[in-house]
Amino acid sequence: EDQVTQSPEALRLQEGESSSLNCSYTVSGLRGLFWYRQDPGKGPEFLFTLYSAGEEKEKERLKATLTKKESFLHITAPKPEDSATYLCAVLGSSNTGKLIFGQGTTLQVKP
Amino acid sequence: ETGVTQTPRHLVMGMTNKKSLKCEQHLGHNAMYWYKQSAKKPLELMFVYSLEERVENNSVPSRFSPECPNSSHLFLHLHTLQPEDSALYLCASSQDLGFRQPQHFGDGTRLSIL
Repeated sequence: EDQVTQSPEALRLQEGESSSLNCSYTVSGLRGLFWYRQDPGKGPEFLFTLYSAGEEKEKERLKATLTKKESFLHITAPKPEDSATYLCAVLGSSNTGKLIFGQGTTLQVKP
Repeated sequence: ETGVTQTPRHLVMGMTNKKSLKCEQHLGHNAMYWYKQSAKKPLELMFVYSLEERVENNSVPSRFSPECPNSSHLFLHLHTLQPEDSALYLCASSQDLGFRQPQHFGDGTRLSIL
């Protein structure tokens, strides 16, 4: 059964304190791993797609990496506006676009 | 308007009511999705439509009835719901079902069942 586990569940950082969020997955035939950001009262906002082990993507203070078993979302020198819930999802062998989501990591960055 | 729009944003209904959720996408996409987001649980896929044809029903109870009249609109008809159906219902769309097409989400309908 396809499964996604994110850790930690919650993370508090001081502004400028870099850290990483983890997404571990088990899936038959990974076809893509997706990172989203969700603000309170909003829908998830697409950040990155990773397709193969060793791939990396960057956007401002965020960098996503992928191995055969997990993905990391590295946050460098975060700012309070980076506070949000970060969701990881995988697309397996299903040809119906079915994404399997993790429970998310809620990040709070204090000034 | 741009992106994916959902209405209403909030809905309170009794267990015997019938209501509908509406989703409209302005992205020219061919695939649309319904997800359920409950507190402390991962997003859960409910239905997938591709070119107005339902291609996935993720074991959803029959009290939820989807409808996709065209590639821009998606509805979720609700009847005889249970308290555990209270959740945030999210609509998403993607260019197609190809694996290189990310899904783009609306801001959801917050549903409360009395």
